[in-house]
Amino acid sequence: GAVVSQHPSWVICKSGTSVKIECRSLDFQATTMFWYRQFPKQSLMLMATSNEGSKATYEQGVEKDKFLINHASLTLSTLTVTSAHPEDSSFYICSARDPSGGWETQYFGPGTRLLVL
Amino acid sequence: AQKITQTQPGMFVQEKEAVTLDCTYDTSDPSYGLFWYKQPSSGEMIFLIYQGSYDQQNATEGRYSLNFQKARKSANLVISASQLGDSAMYFCAMREGNFGNEKLTFGTGTRLTIIP
Repeated sequence: GAVVSQHPSWVICKSGTSVKIECRSLDFQATTMFWYRQFPKQSLMLMATSNEGSKATYEQGVEKDKFLINHASLTLSTLTVTSAHPEDSSFYICSARDPSGGWETQYFGPGTRLLVL
Repeated sequence: AQKITQTQPGMFVQEKEAVTLDCTYDTSDPSYGLFWYKQPSSGEMIFLIYQGSYDQQNATEGRYSLNFQKARKSANLVISASQLGDSAMYFCAMREGNFGNEKLTFGTGTRLTIIP
C-alpha cells in the first residue's frame, strides 16, 4: 500500500537551532500534505496545509515564521522549526492524500519526535 | 463547541469481547467524512475505517465497523472479538472541506486496554 515516510524519526537539538523535518510520499504524488503536532497524551492538532507549488495555509495560532513549510515537489514537503525552544518539543506528524484515491486515502508518516534542550 | 467529542478517556475490556468507542461530531457542512485511527505507543497513525456523510451503509473493515447515526451525529467504532494487540489510543477524526482544501479535526482519543 501507499507509504509516507518522515525523516528524521528522532531529533534532539539545542535551544536556538533550526530543525528540518522531511515528509515524503513514496508511492504516489501528493499535491497536498498536512503537518500536525501532538503533545504528550494529547490529540493531533493541524498546524498547516502544504500545497505543492504554492504557499502553505497555516492554522490560527501557528506562527508561519516559526514553522516554515516548503512543498517543492509532488513527493516532498519539509517543515523547518526555526530557532527552536523547549516549548517546541513535540511529536510532529505529516500526512498526505493520494489524489487518485478516495477520501480514505489519507496516509500518515511515522512521526518525528523533537526534543529541544 | 468541540467538533469531535470522544467522551471515554480510557476503557478496559476483556480479551475476545466486543468494544464500542464513542464519537460524536458537529458540523454544518453537508459533505464530510469520519475516520477512526489507531495509535500504538510507537506513535504511528494506523487507518482503521472511513465513513462518508452520504454513504448509505455503515462502513466495515474486518473486525472494525462504524455505527454511523447521522441524525444523532455519532460515529461509534465497534471492534469485535478484541485482541491483546488492540491495546492502543484510538482517535476519531472528521474531514470537512473539498479536495484541495480539506481539513481533518481529531478528537481527544480513547485509550483502550485489552485485559487477558
